[in-house]
Amino acid sequence: GENVEQHPSTLSVQEGDSAVIKCTYSDSASNYFPWYKQELGKGPQLIIDIRSNVGEKKDQRIAVTLNKTAKHFSLHITETQPEDSAVYFCAASPYGQNFVFGPGTRLSVLP
Amino acid sequence: GAGVSQSPSNKVTEKGKDVELRCDPISGHTALYWYRQSLGQGLEFLIYFQGNSAPDKSGLPSDRFSAERTGGSVSTLTIQRTQQEDSAVYLCASSSGLAGALTEQYFGPGTRLTVT
Repeated sequence: GENVEQHPSTLSVQEGDSAVIKCTYSDSASNYFPWYKQELGKGPQLIIDIRSNVGEKKDQRIAVTLNKTAKHFSLHITETQPEDSAVYFCAASPYGQNFVFGPGTRLSVLP
Repeated sequence: GAGVSQSPSNKVTEKGKDVELRCDPISGHTALYWYRQSLGQGLEFLIYFQGNSAPDKSGLPSDRFSAERTGGSVSTLTIQRTQQEDSAVYLCASSSGLAGALTEQYFGPGTRLTVT
């Protein structure tokens, strides 16, 4: 079955700097890769996703890149702000069915 | 209406008791997922319902866990003879996608289960 790894497990950056979180997956059948942000006491919320026919997608300060050959994808947050502090999860799914999540990255943006 | 709702928000139960957790998905969403999140951990897939198809139960950790989805809407996750290792946050998500479609999952706030 699918296995998703995520690094780093914790990340601290200064406000205004960029943050990068990387994930790898194992199942070549996976074709949908969402990223979620989870704030304390809340459920995860989708922030951006990418499909296997696209190499990069950007939405304001957030971007995701996908390398299907190497089976890895990354989340990039530019100009970080304190409200970006949260736990971020990547996930991989074949056709939107089973979703396998990475273990999460706790991002702290320091003022 | 609003998003995915779950009840109760918190549940404390004694070891050995049965518990039922409820999920109300977004109206019209055909897909519903249950996940378990242990403290400080990622999300562990439990079960997936898609329309009238047989559910994918491949993630259920033992036969003490079961789930139903009545009328294609509300779902109940039942844990029988609870154990301390069942303590976790149980998250429900729904999406509008048909099988094979790639659509966003909307998560509920979760039910925090504590087994004493």
